[in-house]
Amino acid sequence: ETGVTQTPRHLVMGMTNKKSLKCEQHLGHNAMYWYKQSAKKPLELMFVYSLEERVENNSVPSRFSPECPNSSHLFLHLHTLQPEDSALYLCASSQDLGLPSYEQYFGPGTRLTVT
Amino acid sequence: GQNIDQPTEMTATEGAIVQINCTYQTSGFNGLFWYQQHAGEAPTFLSYNVLDGLEEKGRFSSFLSRSKGYSYLLLKELQMKDSASYLCAGMDSNYQLIWGAGTKLIIKP
Repeated sequence: ETGVTQTPRHLVMGMTNKKSLKCEQHLGHNAMYWYKQSAKKPLELMFVYSLEERVENNSVPSRFSPECPNSSHLFLHLHTLQPEDSALYLCASSQDLGLPSYEQYFGPGTRLTVT
Repeated sequence: GQNIDQPTEMTATEGAIVQINCTYQTSGFNGLFWYQQHAGEAPTFLSYNVLDGLEEKGRFSSFLSRSKGYSYLLLKELQMKDSASYLCAGMDSNYQLIWGAGTKLIIKP
């Protein structure tokens, strides 16, 4: 595997379900990100991790819970979601934080539908 | 507040040139990024500008004017595979990316 991978690619869940999204980066990067992408809206940054430490939590509802067990893996645990949470969830990584020239590498995303 | 503005959709003809504009307002400024995103795929990095002027990379060029809070992405010799959304993002003083909603570019034969 190369780059950034995400599983599953598609997920349909009911509002009472609990599920997890997984992201893995094979680039040796130190920073990882979760974004939400809704149709015709800007990417919304949800969480940022640097060396497995959470450094940013942009007022995300508690029904989204991130976990970063090591610098290669990032999870997003989901529970009691709302229909408006249906979106594309993108994971990204970059070499480090705080250096502007480091571009972010994105995974293909998980298309989430909440019914 | 922080804001990125770019057109929602543009149409161009195969073989032609198209310019996608982006205006930005960020708290502090650490550069301007352009990404390409094909439908159903991950965004991929195209360019980064932090100094004024034009950066050329093959068929794609990106321009920045910091005094005007303005950037554009120029695509030459358009190909059908250039049909995609183009995302503009400004980096603020905290090194966070502020994203635009993207410009969907439609290429017609």
